[in-house]
Amino acid sequence: AQSVTQLDSHVSVSEGTPVLLRCNYSSSYSPSLFWYVQHPNKGLQLLLKYTSAATLVKGINGFEAEFKKSETSFHLTKPSAHMSDAAEYFCVVSDRGGADGLTFGKGTHLIIQP
Amino acid sequence: NAGVTQTPKFQVLKTGQSMTLQCAQDMNHNSMYWYRQDPGMGLRLIYYSASEGTTDKGEVPNGYNVSRLNKREFSLRLESAAPSQTSVYFCASKGPGQHYEQYFGPGTRLTVT
Repeated sequence: AQSVTQLDSHVSVSEGTPVLLRCNYSSSYSPSLFWYVQHPNKGLQLLLKYTSAATLVKGINGFEAEFKKSETSFHLTKPSAHMSDAAEYFCVVSDRGGADGLTFGKGTHLIIQP
Repeated sequence: NAGVTQTPKFQVLKTGQSMTLQCAQDMNHNSMYWYRQDPGMGLRLIYYSASEGTTDKGEVPNGYNVSRLNKREFSLRLESAAPSQTSVYFCASKGPGQHYEQYFGPGTRLTVT
């Protein structure tokens, strides 16, 4: 069975400082991994995805994530936080074909201090 | 190309009332999903449909029914609403295979009093 753990329910950083949102996963197969962002009162939007090509994945709005198989991690980073990054972030693992092979993390709430 | 659309955006029901949440996608995706989102719980899968004519239960199906009307449309029905069903409901669709991401609708905010 697959699972996803987002290690922090809340992360607070100052504007202009780096962001690190942590995600660990477990999977019996070679997984695909996704990060989604949800701004207040909005739907979820794809930030980036890993699908077994390059292990360092670049996404929208300056975010990137590195797939580390040895650590079963897929942490999301950004060099410099912006106020507009304040949102909920979800890590998702998919390791099977078919409609039901998706598992969501519980989410990390990112707070940006001015 | 509208992506995934949901109606209504907001709804208030009294306990025991019924309603149907509508979802449609224009990306020719086979797979469609219904989730509910509650504070601190992330997204929980209610039902999904791998293709037209098939539906399967997710993590929290009790109190809900679904219909995959055609390839585009996937509706969620609450037959007798309860306060525990107060939530934000999201519909999503996805292409085939594990490498494809889901596309989400804007959500329906439902309050049951």
